[in-house]
Amino acid sequence: AQKITQTQPGMFVQEKEAVTLDCTYDTSDQSYGLFWYKQPSSGEMIFLIYQGSYDEQNATEGRYSLNFQKARKSANLVISASQLGDSAMYFCAMREGEGQNFVFGPGTRLSVLP
Amino acid sequence: DSGVTQTPKHLITATGQRVTLRCSPRSGDLSVYWYQQSLDQGLQFLIQYYNGEERAKGNILERFSAQQFPDLHSELNLSSLELGDSALYFCASSEQQDWYDEQYFGPGTRLTVT
Repeated sequence: AQKITQTQPGMFVQEKEAVTLDCTYDTSDQSYGLFWYKQPSSGEMIFLIYQGSYDEQNATEGRYSLNFQKARKSANLVISASQLGDSAMYFCAMREGEGQNFVFGPGTRLSVLP
Repeated sequence: DSGVTQTPKHLITATGQRVTLRCSPRSGDLSVYWYQQSLDQGLQFLIQYYNGEERAKGNILERFSAQQFPDLHSELNLSSLELGDSALYFCASSEQQDWYDEQYFGPGTRLTVT
């Protein structure tokens, strides 16, 4: 079974608007971390934001915030005030427990329109 | 710049050959991870080392091997190369190997097998 699901292969958003990228996960562990990475066309993987399973507050990093709904097992990334430079692939990832591997979702390609 | 370095940036070689990819983690990071990203398989975890010891194995072929040296740099060896091994190979590092440790990725090595 897929551990990380990203149901939106591609998304479009108008510049300066907000966009939500979906991520659902599957785990039976109590301790886990959820991560979002950005991969622009140049290929590098850029760490954006982290949410721990015990964190009560939603994580925020500048224009990025994570809408964490533990009961629904979802960890959606919200990008506010989209910029042209936000056009990229976005990957949701999870790490469970101790010494477990990172598991990445298939990614969502975001295109920001001028 | 994540602080993780990878060499070479590009590599073109023929089927049947052997190559070595090199990674230097961020200063202070003890864990190194190797990933393969191809168009059809997405981002696949290959192997993890922590302070010189192998800690986790993912979808790594028997033709592939890796090691982490005392200075914590790591090498990924790919042998008997096939066309299907053409991919972007990432190295990532994290401070420890806890579930809440974010991984920082290097720029990747793009391998083309002809």
